[in-house]
Amino acid sequence: QVQLAESGGGVVQAGTSLRLSCVGSGFTFSSWGIHWVRQAPGKGLEWVTVIWYDGSKKYYVESVKGRFIISRDNSKNTVYLQMNSLRAEDTAVYYCARDVAEYSNSMDYWGQGTLVTVSS
Amino acid sequence: QSVLTQPPSVSGTPGQRVTISCSGGSSNIGSNSVNWYQHLPGTAPKLLIFNNYERPSGVPDRFSGSKSGTSASLAISGLQSEDEGDYYCATWDDSLNGVFGGGTKLTVL
Repeated sequence: QVQLAESGGGVVQAGTSLRLSCVGSGFTFSSWGIHWVRQAPGKGLEWVTVIWYDGSKKYYVESVKGRFIISRDNSKNTVYLQMNSLRAEDTAVYYCARDVAEYSNSMDYWGQGTLVTVSS
Repeated sequence: QSVLTQPPSVSGTPGQRVTISCSGGSSNIGSNSVNWYQHLPGTAPKLLIFNNYERPSGVPDRFSGSKSGTSASLAISGLQSEDEGDYYCATWDDSLNGVFGGGTKLTVL
């Protein structure tokens, strides 16, 4: 069965970096795009970034441009989210999710999420 | 403020039909398909509707979606207690980023 598992969350200080990982299984990982979506405490879902199946295209929400970098290693069935210059407002549960179709923001399988807490 | 506007809350009694609206603009809903997600407490979000009205396998036909112009809606018929949770509309924006609505909390009375 299709599964996605995030890891790498934790408590960090503002201004530092953290790298999240998303490992996929049960499907041909290299054929699917992957999104990151976050939910801050008490807030709604916020789309963060997406990477195409082959890594050829990457898009970001304005608030993380220049600070976050998404990448993938299809040989390891893994997508990474490198988060730099972290801010208190980046505190959230981060989910990775499989993309149904390009330019659709449609995600059919989600991980359980990993919590990132940025202390100021 | 979210790019897509949803009512903060809706409620209904078991068996009733409720609808959740989602309003956007020409660069998002107006030119891209709409998706709906259900997010129940303590679980990962779940895709309910994609491509405006299509249901993934396993999603009951009690859930239906529609879109007209720059607005979309999700209808839930035969409301059940287990439907209680948060619902989000989502789409792509032509400025090359994904967007979500602010979310609607559904309460089953």
